[in-house]
Amino acid sequence: AQSVTQLDSHVSVSEGTPVLLRCNYSSSYSPSLFWYVQHPNKGLQLLLKYTSAATLVKGINGFEAEFKKSETSFHLTKPSAHMSDAAEYFCVVSDQPLGSQGNLIFGKGTKLSVKP
Amino acid sequence: NAGVMQNPRHLVRRRGQEARLRCSPMKGHSHVYWYRQLPEEGLKFMVYLQKENIIDESGMPKERFSAEFPKEGPSILRIQQVVRGDSAAYFCASSPGQGNTEAFFGQGTRLTVV
Repeated sequence: AQSVTQLDSHVSVSEGTPVLLRCNYSSSYSPSLFWYVQHPNKGLQLLLKYTSAATLVKGINGFEAEFKKSETSFHLTKPSAHMSDAAEYFCVVSDQPLGSQGNLIFGKGTKLSVKP
Repeated sequence: NAGVMQNPRHLVRRRGQEARLRCSPMKGHSHVYWYRQLPEEGLKFMVYLQKENIIDESGMPKERFSAEFPKEGPSILRIQQVVRGDSAAYFCASSPGQGNTEAFFGQGTRLTVV
């Protein structure tokens, strides 16, 4: 069965410094992987997705993630944090195309704080 | 093109009442998914529907919860005889169709049972 583990429940960085949010997954098949962001009292916004094309995936707002099969990881990074990046980030795995099974497995989330 | 619309945004119900949560998918999307987010938790899949059909309800509690996506109108998640443990944020997502792996989420309905 597929699962997702986000290794840090809370990450705090200073503005302008790099961001690293860690995610490990477990999957029986080649997974589709996603990162979503949730700002306070807002819905979820897709940051980026990996669906077996390039292993380095670029997303919105300067974020990117690298799929490493040997490490079963899909860590999210950004070179320089901005105050507006403060939010909760969810790593998500799906073993099937969404329309086939419709079951996204969410990690518990990592809250990112950005200090001025 | 409006995004996924959920209403109400906030809903307060007393124990034993019914809660109805509505979700209008993005234009052109025929697949709807409902997720529940408990405090300090990630989202948990509840149910996947296409127009007039329930495709996968493996995440739905066996009692009191039901969902529909009629031919016309929004998808409805219905919770009968609510209890305090039903308090959560309920998110709806939609996608265009089979094989598309991207879901677009609404802003959620925050249900509080008092």
